[in-house]
Amino acid sequence: NAGVTQTPKFQVLKTGQSMTLQCAQDMNHNSMYWYRQDPGMGLRLIYYSASEGTTDKGEVPNGYNVSRLNKREFSLRLESAAPSQTSVYFCASSGVNTGELFFGEGSRLTVL
Amino acid sequence: GENVEQHPSTLSVQEGDSAVIKCTYSDSASNYFPWYKQELGKRPQLIIDIRSNVGEKKDQRIAVTLNKTAKHFSLHITETQPEDSAVYFCAAHPSNTGNQFYFGTGTSLTVIP
Repeated sequence: NAGVTQTPKFQVLKTGQSMTLQCAQDMNHNSMYWYRQDPGMGLRLIYYSASEGTTDKGEVPNGYNVSRLNKREFSLRLESAAPSQTSVYFCASSGVNTGELFFGEGSRLTVL
Repeated sequence: GENVEQHPSTLSVQEGDSAVIKCTYSDSASNYFPWYKQELGKRPQLIIDIRSNVGEKKDQRIAVTLNKTAKHFSLHITETQPEDSAVYFCAAHPSNTGNQFYFGTGTSLTVIP
């Protein structure tokens, strides 16, 4: 039982490049989330998916797209990376509404 | 939308002393308030939570209190130990926003041996 797994753990991009962060959970959770963590800013929600086939914007969705591929997988795509997207990204899942969030290990992204 | 404020941003205590972290929220529809602990370089993990129909909850050395009227909730850690050193995040979940959680900006707690 691996919980929430996200890849890659580290990535360096040049401005304008694109990339996709992958996330998978094996806990049969309905809801999945992408957060970004910046110093002094806490965890800010980028997008979330309440169930397979649905996605919704969070607090900071600009510059990102997501895909809920199936119940297990939720990917985050940066189409044209910008230095402001340098951050640590966390994927999370939860089983029921108002339930515990289980986080992945994080992906540290640097955009030069 | 919901706005969660957390104070202090940094906190240093001597081992064995108590630590208190406070959060306020703005949306009266919030009804679930979890606290997460994040050790350096690790993922956030839930340590305790409280729902709006409860005023206080304790789990060994950790307790959380909730004042719905004043819209604030607090984390209390007693008999602090060096392994309590971490960043702590509070969060609020409004019942009318689907599955969204709103986080505070975090408190970096250092327990001095």
